[in-house]
Amino acid sequence: EVQLVESGGGLVQPGGSLRLSCAASGVTFSTYHMNWVRQAPGKGLEWVSYIGSGYNIYYADSVKGRFAISRDNAKNSLYLQMNSLRDEDTAVYYCASDRDYAFHLWGQGTMVTVSS
Amino acid sequence: QSALTQPASVSGSPGQSITISCTGTSSDVGSYNFVSWYQQHPDKAPKLMIYEVYKRPSGVSNRFSGSKSGNTASLTISGLQAEDEADYYCCSYAGSLTWVFGGGTQLTVL
Repeated sequence: EVQLVESGGGLVQPGGSLRLSCAASGVTFSTYHMNWVRQAPGKGLEWVSYIGSGYNIYYADSVKGRFAISRDNAKNSLYLQMNSLRDEDTAVYYCASDRDYAFHLWGQGTMVTVSS
Repeated sequence: QSALTQPASVSGSPGQSITISCTGTSSDVGSYNFVSWYQQHPDKAPKLMIYEVYKRPSGVSNRFSGSKSGNTASLTISGLQAEDEADYYCCSYAGSLTWVFGGGTQLTVL
C-alpha cells in the first residue's frame, strides 16, 4: 500500500525545537519530490518547504532560516527540523509528494503545538 | 507569497452545480498552468481533485472540473452529492519551486 506516515509532533515551548519525520512505503521514495504543508487550527493550508529528488531545497519566507528539510532515501524518510519555534508555527504538519506541480499523495499529519 | 483569494463559503442543493473561484496574480495563477484543487473533509488529509488546471487524477469523479482565465481559476462540481460537502482549497505554483494556497472554501450541500 502506498502511504506516507508523519511522526514527531508534540508540545514545545516558544523558541524550542522539534524534528518531524515522514516515512514512505509502497513507493520508490528516491524518485519522489517531497514537501511539507501545514495547517493552523481552523485555518487554511500553507506550503512550507520542498526537497527534490535531486536534493534541491526551497522554503516559504515564513520559515526560512528557522526550518531545515532533509531526506534519507536509504530509510525512505523525509524530515523537517524546526528551530526557534513561534506560536504561529502551531499547526498540523503534512508531508506530501508532488508530481506535475501538484500534491498527489499526503500523509495523515502530525500536530505541533507551540505554547508556554 | 500572498494567499490566493477564494470565497469563504458556497452552497448548493443535491443535483445542482456550483463553482468556486480562486483569484491570484500574474506571478502565480496567471503565469502557470499549474493550478490544483484539494478536497478536505473534517479531520482528514487533503485529497487532490484537479491538477494542471483541468486534469483529474485516476479515481476522481468527472463531476469535478477545472478551468482558468487570466489570474482566476475555477472549480466546478456538477450533480452535487452529500459527500461533496467539504472544504476546498486551490493551489498555484508560484515559480522557483514554491507554491501558494487559497484560503479555502467551505461547501455546504443543502
